[in-house]
This record gives sequence, C-alpha cells and structure tokens, in this order.
Amino acid sequence: DAGITQSPRHKVTETGTPVTLRCHQTENHRYMYWYRQDPGHGLRLIHYSYGVKDTDKGEVSDGYSVSRSKTEDFLLTLESATSSQTSVYFCAITRGQGNGETQYFGPGTRLLVL
Amino acid sequence: QQQVKQSPQSLIVQKGGISIINCAYENTAFDYFPWYQQFPGKGPALLIAIRPDVSEKKEGRFTISFNKSAKQFSLHIMDSQPGDSATYFCAAAIGNQFYFGTGTSLTVIP
Repeated sequence: DAGITQSPRHKVTETGTPVTLRCHQTENHRYMYWYRQDPGHGLRLIHYSYGVKDTDKGEVSDGYSVSRSKTEDFLLTLESATSSQTSVYFCAITRGQGNGETQYFGPGTRLLVL
Repeated sequence: QQQVKQSPQSLIVQKGGISIINCAYENTAFDYFPWYQQFPGKGPALLIAIRPDVSEKKEGRFTISFNKSAKQFSLHIMDSQPGDSATYFCAAAIGNQFYFGTGTSLTVIP
C-alpha cells in the first residue's frame, strides 16, 4: 500500500461536461502520474508531475489537463468529456525499492461518459 | 509506438501447470523491468522486478528470466493456481518513466 487514494471511484457523466478526478498521496512522493487503462492498450500515460506545479505530457494527453498545487494532490481534468474518454483511470507514484524506483498504483476511477 | 510488446494477450493453464508470459523491448537504455499483477476492480500491484545485470530472479513460484542480448524478458509462474488468475503487465523503465505492455489475461483452470 503506497498511501494512494483516488476520488471518485466511479463516475457517470454526459458528453461535453467537465470532469475532475483527484489523486491523493500521504507519503510526500515527488513523482505522480495519471494513466488510463483500456482493453488491448494496457496502461497509457496521460500526464505526470515531478513536483508542485511541474507537470508534463504523456502519450495520450489530448483532451486532458492536470494541476498540482500541493505535493499530496494531483488533479486530472477532462475539460469537455467525450465518449472516447470512457476508461479506467489510475494514479501512480514512484517510490524507492531496493536499488531504484518503482511505481505503485491507486485503486482506480471508473469513468463512463454517455 | 509500443515501447514494450507483450504476448500472449490471453492464456489458459491447468492448475499445477506453468504459465509463461513474454515481453520484448527495443530501447537498450531501459534499466528496470517490473511485472504487475492486477485483479478485477483493483489497481496493478508490483509482483516481481529485475534489473538487467542479472539473468534471472525468483520469488516463490514467480520467476523472471531476462535475456539482455535478445532484449526479451519473461514471467514464469510455476505450479499455477486458480488464485493466480489475473491480468499481468510487464513494464520497462528509465528512471521515473515507465512503459507498459498491453497485458496478458491469465486463467488457471482448477
């Protein structure tokens, strides 16, 4: 358990509405990530953060924005949700293990865009 | 472009059998290769990991075999059990950047 919580855990929304997902961590990790998981695609990186107010894009960042105003919270916003953004969203952090860093995941948020 | 290619997409094994999942990569700068196990409705959980300076790592029934020259690594699950039924992801990492395979759905039949 890496002390990661995600909220909400489930959400149904309509096309065109804004949606914000929250990731909260309790262990003061510097790196935080947002992934989406879809059948046949595995886990794809949306955005990541390497510190407060320091973020960068991943491979599937179009239609998403992020913010990190404090270490413990990393927010993912869908400005205008589309049906193609129906997915399961996972937040992750990296934490040292042995002689390096590894990634640990939150429980996920299941998002359905109608 | 998929940085890490994983196969098979799905796998059915009899209880007590050996499950083998394979992954391949191209970027020789990768320096960490973890495997994750995911049960339905849960987040992926770290199962076992290896660094490229060793060719094999074993933890209980789970073994990673690593072939640096072929740029391939695999997960072997010995004496597979129904409780091992899950989706497995391989990954390759450079520092804090992780790249995941597309996943293998394993079903172990009693």
